[in-house]
Amino acid sequence: KAGVTQTPRYLIKTRGQQVTLSCSPISGHRSVSWYQQTPGQGLQFLFEYFSETQRNKGNFPGRFSGRQFSNSRSEMNVSTLELGDSALYLCASSSGDRGTGELFFGEGSRLTVL
Amino acid sequence: AQTVTQSQPEMSVQEAETVTLSCTYDTSESDYYLFWYKQPPSRQMILVIRQEAYKQQNATENRFSVNFQKAAKSFSLKISDSQLGDAAMYFCASRKGNQGGKLIFGQGTELSVKP
Repeated sequence: KAGVTQTPRYLIKTRGQQVTLSCSPISGHRSVSWYQQTPGQGLQFLFEYFSETQRNKGNFPGRFSGRQFSNSRSEMNVSTLELGDSALYLCASSSGDRGTGELFFGEGSRLTVL
Repeated sequence: AQTVTQSQPEMSVQEAETVTLSCTYDTSESDYYLFWYKQPPSRQMILVIRQEAYKQQNATENRFSVNFQKAAKSFSLKISDSQLGDAAMYFCASRKGNQGGKLIFGQGTELSVKP
């Protein structure tokens, strides 16, 4: 069974640009969550999508947005990039069970903003 | 608000020895879950062990076990017979019972294993 796939793995952008990251969950998983990982702030929850609807949201500005498609694939978009957006963005999928459903993480997309 | 604190930024253990990583959390919820995740260098994060708060029995997965002290809000991870492959960042995390994919992570503990 294929794992969680994130693309691209690495990318470099400049301030003011926008970026779109993609995440393909494990087959059969309906929930996709996104996290930002930085040395200073650690791992922070961005949002979760389940059956194409945002189910949970973290405390990030509106420049961070996401969506989920009918095949459960998800994208997240960051507009008007800032230097502080440089981070590893992790995607995790799960069956969607709100309780014990285990999260399976991808390898991440490393974004550098210059 | 839920918070998770890992007070040990770095830990070191000799191969084949035992090491304990500390984690404390704060929550007002009665229904919650606790997790330990492992993130090897440049590799994806994987679940090591999880604990349902309503269960009194400490979770165990092979060489990994937890000491769950609910009243003290403590959730430590014990790694027995440490192996070189255990070297990684370890994150403690909590989740409200109905919060699906929303985990609150601690800052992590970097574990090194000496041969």
